[in-house]
Amino acid sequence: NAGVTQTPKFQVLKTGQSMTLQCAQDMNHEYMSWYRQDPGMGLRLIHYSVGAGITDQGEVPNGYNVSRSTTEDFPLRLLSAAPSQTSVYFCASSYSQASRWGYTFGSGTRLTVV
Amino acid sequence: GEDVEQSLFLSVREGDSSVINCTYTDSSSTYLYWYKQEPGAGLQLLTYIFSNMDMKQDQRLTVLLNKKDKHLSLRIADTQTGDSAIYFCAELNYGGSQGNLIFGKGTKLSVKP
Repeated sequence: NAGVTQTPKFQVLKTGQSMTLQCAQDMNHEYMSWYRQDPGMGLRLIHYSVGAGITDQGEVPNGYNVSRSTTEDFPLRLLSAAPSQTSVYFCASSYSQASRWGYTFGSGTRLTVV
Repeated sequence: GEDVEQSLFLSVREGDSSVINCTYTDSSSTYLYWYKQEPGAGLQLLTYIFSNMDMKQDQRLTVLLNKKDKHLSLRIADTQTGDSAIYFCAELNYGGSQGNLIFGKGTKLSVKP
């Protein structure tokens, strides 16, 4: 199994550009989420999904959109990138929202907005 | 609201024991977790403990939970240079975050030879 796959690994954007961070899992997990990691801030939840067709906001959703058309994929869209969105983004998945096994994380996408 | 607190840095010598501490505020937490993040990598689940347990041991790792004080600790015995990483404490609850994992800011463990 590949687990949770994130692409790209690195990306540089100009302010105002849009892009989509891809996340795919092959474990048939119902729950998927996006976190951003900033120095000294830990991980903060952006958006999450408890199943195909269902998404909800986390702690820091502004500037990001998500959709969940399939169980496997959960892309994160930046509509108009801003320097404040420079961060490392992690996708995570789990069997369920409250799984005792916690979440499986991807290896991250390092995004720089100039 | 929920909050998970950790000290930011810990430095130990190779072969010593490391103890990483964490406090949480939500008494309705069901599971508590320790994750490890090596440089440039994602988070790897190390261990978890259910909220009705006091202790869990897994090889060199010992997790202690004090529910009264809402204090969680991770002890790494015989710490090795390969244990150098950032360690995150996380809680899972059904409170204001609709059951998502809430992470601390992470403790950077440095192991000196």
